[in-house]
Amino acid sequence: EAQVTQNPRYLITVTGKKLTVTCSQNMNHEYMSWYRQDPGLGLRQIYYSMNVEVTDKGDVPEGYKVSRKEKRNFPLILESPSPNQTSLYFCASSWRTGGNSPLHFGNGTRLTVT
Amino acid sequence: AQKVTQAQTEISVVEKEDVTLDCVYETRDTTYYLFWYKQPPSGELVFLIRRNSFDEQNEISGRYSWNFQKSTSSFNFTITASQVVDSAVYFCALSETDYKLSFGAGTTVTVRA
Repeated sequence: EAQVTQNPRYLITVTGKKLTVTCSQNMNHEYMSWYRQDPGLGLRQIYYSMNVEVTDKGDVPEGYKVSRKEKRNFPLILESPSPNQTSLYFCASSWRTGGNSPLHFGNGTRLTVT
Repeated sequence: AQKVTQAQTEISVVEKEDVTLDCVYETRDTTYYLFWYKQPPSGELVFLIRRNSFDEQNEISGRYSWNFQKSTSSFNFTITASQVVDSAVYFCALSETDYKLSFGAGTTVTVRA
């Protein structure tokens, strides 16, 4: 089954404790991206990647890191999480660079930073 | 500046009523793409439609229809004869040539039986 898999689904952590949210897709998609969803703000792009070893900042990259060492994986790293990073996170992928291909989304990761 | 504006935060209708969701976008690109996504209460995001900037034909898919008007930079979405299963948050999104995808804040649709 074609899918984007995020883990974990729920995560509660404390300020400053490094964490990684994993994202994997099995569709051989070139483009992958991370979004955060906050009430009243919709989805905001954090980082995106157009292919292996090619990543770029989205609209809200501060406090996040990503890597794209393999085509299928695109982990999101929070080196020192803070409470303002409490949010619902979505990973997404598409066949080509995001412009003309619809995104396939993972099921989301709800992160709480205390 | 917000590139995609969904002015309606929440809409509540009774089953079988029609509901129209407004989406206004802003871009200087001549080539761009517009999308609608649905987020039901279960939380996943589901792709509904894609439209490129050169195709202004309206589209109908079952009870869903979309009206794209470049002159007013709008890409509105209508649900005809709404059903309870249409209750969800609907997002309009714009993709420009810089490969970023900008989402609107979303419109929460509640359909009451």
